[in-house]
Order: sequence, then structure tokens, then C-alpha cells
Amino acid sequence: EIVLTQSPATLALSPGERATLSCGASQTVSSGYIAWYQQKPGLAPRLLIYDASSRATDIPDRFSGGGSGTDFTLTISRLEPEDFAVYYCQQYGNSPPSTFGQGTKLEIK
Amino acid sequence: EVQLVESGGGWVQPGGSLRLSCAASGFTFGNYAMSWVRQAPGKGLEWVSVISGNSLSTYYADSVKGRFTISRDNSKNTMYLQVNTLRAEDTAIYYCVKVQRVSYYFDAFDIWGQGTMVTVSS
Repeated sequence: EIVLTQSPATLALSPGERATLSCGASQTVSSGYIAWYQQKPGLAPRLLIYDASSRATDIPDRFSGGGSGTDFTLTISRLEPEDFAVYYCQQYGNSPPSTFGQGTKLEIK
Repeated sequence: EVQLVESGGGWVQPGGSLRLSCAASGFTFGNYAMSWVRQAPGKGLEWVSVISGNSLSTYYADSVKGRFTISRDNSKNTMYLQVNTLRAEDTAIYYCVKVQRVSYYFDAFDIWGQGTMVTVSS
């Protein structure tokens, strides 16, 4: 089973700043099959990025994903007030099982 | 509009059972594998199970294997999760999720339901 470790656990930034979230895998993720999700309190997660770098439908272009092998990143180029939430990475290349990281909380500084 | 609506959650004593349902609309249900993902209160996401579009293949997380059974009825556009021998650690919101691409069992999840809460407590 691949273990995903997200860092940092909490990231405090201001609107307009750039955010970089990391997701490290315990072994190479096949085909770069990594997704990123955003979750706001009381709501279901929303798909942002799939296949490491492809934006999902209707996701703003300030969100971008990158990486390969065992190291992946989600970058938010300029933070908007609605971007403050919890972010999860998921791997689906070495399944079953599909696994999730423990999450990064992006909070307002 | 593509939509997933879960039902069937509730409070149950340890050792008890529930049947969760997920009603799908807005897409060709039988073409897609479907999964359940759960989230314990204040915790992260955990993949639980997946079923292929034709029901021929199913997979489970080790934590639920032998206790949970996933199934679907494509004529009713509905997926189910029979949860038996429930434990306190099964307490969570259970989300029904659609995989993004046809013919993939394991994929990103592009559509999520609102979730149904299962509470296991004496």
C-alpha cells in the first residue's frame, strides 16, 4: 500500500500570496496517477487536479499540479478568499487500495 | 445535472448492520465504476470499496473486508453498501463517488454525493 504524506500540515498565508502544497509517496506512483481535492467545512471534497497536472472541469487556472515519481505539488498562484480550505492528495495508480494523504489545512494569516 | 444522493445512514450499536444507498442521475450510470469513501469526524479521507460498471469486479479496503459488501443495480441507477458487524471505528460520513473515466476501476473521483452519516455507539 502506498502511503502519502502531505506537508505542511497547516499553511498560513494571506490572500494574493502563492501557496505550494506537497504530497510525498512511499513508492513511485504508477503513471503519475495523483489527484488533488479541496474540502470546505461541512461539504464534500471537490476534484481540482487529476493525473498530477490536469485541471478538472471548471477549476480556475490559478490551481496547478506537478511532479512525478514520488513527489507531487499543488500550487495556487494567487490565493483568493475562497481558497482557504483543507486539501487532500490521492493516488490511484497502485490500487487497490487507492489512498489519500492526511490533508493540508490552508488558513488565512 | 450530474448528482449522487446517499441515504441509509444512522445510529447503530456495535455489531449491528446498515444498508447504504446511492442514487445517481445525470450520467450513464452503468458505464462507470463507483466507489465509497468515508471520513471519520475531524479526520481525513479513506477509500472503502469500488465496484465495476458491470458488477463483475469489486475491491475493498482491508479495514472493511469481510464485513462490507458493495453492489449496484444499473436498472435503478443505484449503488449500495451493506455494512455488517459494525465497530466504533466505522463511525464516519460515507460518501458515494463516481470515478472520472469510463473503464477505469481506480481513478480520480469527479462527482461526490453529500454523504450519509453512520454512527456506531452503544
